[in-house]
Amino acid sequence: AQSVTQLDSQVPVFEEAPVELRCNYSSSVSVYLFWYVQYPNQGLQLLLKYLSGSTLVKGINGFEAEFNKSQTSFHLRKPSVHISDTAEYFCAVSDDLQGAQKLVFGQGTRLTINP
Amino acid sequence: NAGVTQTPKFRVLKTGQSMTLLCAQDMNHEYMYWYRQDPGMGLRLIHYSVGEGTTAKGEVPDGYNVSRLKKQNFLLGLESAAPSQTSVYFCASTRRGRSSYEQYFGPGTRLTVT
Repeated sequence: AQSVTQLDSQVPVFEEAPVELRCNYSSSVSVYLFWYVQYPNQGLQLLLKYLSGSTLVKGINGFEAEFNKSQTSFHLRKPSVHISDTAEYFCAVSDDLQGAQKLVFGQGTRLTINP
Repeated sequence: NAGVTQTPKFRVLKTGQSMTLLCAQDMNHEYMYWYRQDPGMGLRLIHYSVGEGTTAKGEVPDGYNVSRLKKQNFLLGLESAAPSQTSVYFCASTRRGRSSYEQYFGPGTRLTVT
């Protein structure tokens, strides 16, 4: 069975500082990995995804993530954060994209940007 | 194009009451999902549907039922609400087959069971 672990429940950073949100997964088969963002009182929206190919994936709003198969990790990074990046971030995995495309989500990381 | 909408936005129920949450999407998506979101637990899949008239259990289906009578609608029912079902419920949808594999989420329904 798949599982996703987000190692930090909360990450506070100062504006314009870099940030890394950590995600580790476990799966016995090929996986597809996603990061979703949830702004306050909203639904989730896709930030970026890894399906195949280059292990460095770029997403919206200046975020990027690197797929590391040997470390079973998919950490999310941004070189310089803005107040508007304050949100909750969820890592998700699927081994079912040819089927029902079910996702398994991590616990979430709340990113707080301080001025 | 409204995307994914959910009705109602908020609801308070007493233990033992029943209710139905409605999810509607106007993107002609084949697949639809119901999740619940609880603090520190991320989103967990309750039930899902890969097409009109078909539904299947997810990770946490107990206490819930679903129906997909029309392609654009996916209903989540609570027959006898319990305090453990206090949560935020999200509906999502996506297109079948080789696509972006992006799930589109509704704004959520905040349910409190007292």
